[in-house]
Amino acid sequence: DVKVTQSSRYLVKRTGEKVFLECVQDMDHENMFWYRQDPGLGLRLIYFSYDVKMKEKGDIPEGYSVSREKKERFSLILESASTNQTSMYLCATTTGAITGELFFGEGSRLTVL
Amino acid sequence: LAKTTQPISMDSYEGQEVNITCSHNNIATNDYITWYQQFPSQGPRFIIQGYKTKVTNEVASLFIPADRKSSTLSLPRVSLSDTAVYYCLVGRLSGGYQKVTFGIGTKLQVIP
Repeated sequence: DVKVTQSSRYLVKRTGEKVFLECVQDMDHENMFWYRQDPGLGLRLIYFSYDVKMKEKGDIPEGYSVSREKKERFSLILESASTNQTSMYLCATTTGAITGELFFGEGSRLTVL
Repeated sequence: LAKTTQPISMDSYEGQEVNITCSHNNIATNDYITWYQQFPSQGPRFIIQGYKTKVTNEVASLFIPADRKSSTLSLPRVSLSDTAVYYCLVGRLSGGYQKVTFGIGTKLQVIP
């Protein structure tokens, strides 16, 4: 089974802090995604990466950046956390095949005070 | 990406069959239809995928009419553990350039 591991299940940070959310997958998949999920808004795509050092903006990239130095690891960075970034963050991976399914991690719930 | 529309919520009694319909009028010729299930505090999980007609696996069935402008996820004899949010996605995961977009989903509440 594919395993997608997110470094922290729960984090509490203060406004202005730099936050790193890390995601590691064990299946050598090319594609990795970061979503945030908020009540009433569903899952919204922040960034995705289709190869090492490659990234593309999703629907809501403002306030975020990403890093993919190794194929198995995709990091989401909040340069200066704000209260409106309090959310559940979900990492996902897929092979990129036409019918490839997405495999998600368990999520990281971030609270910014 | 084709936009999808599905009911925001549904209630069902245990043991009943549940059908959740998703509308996707702008589906493209090479788009697939995929459904995911999400439990609270977990990431979404793949349930079923299809292109046309009917697909069945051990968890659900997916019915897709000839015009492919809608699809119906069918869950047979639901139990309390089927209480979750169900997402309908339309698109093609290919080449790494395809953004995968989720909607709000349908919150299914199974009642004892």
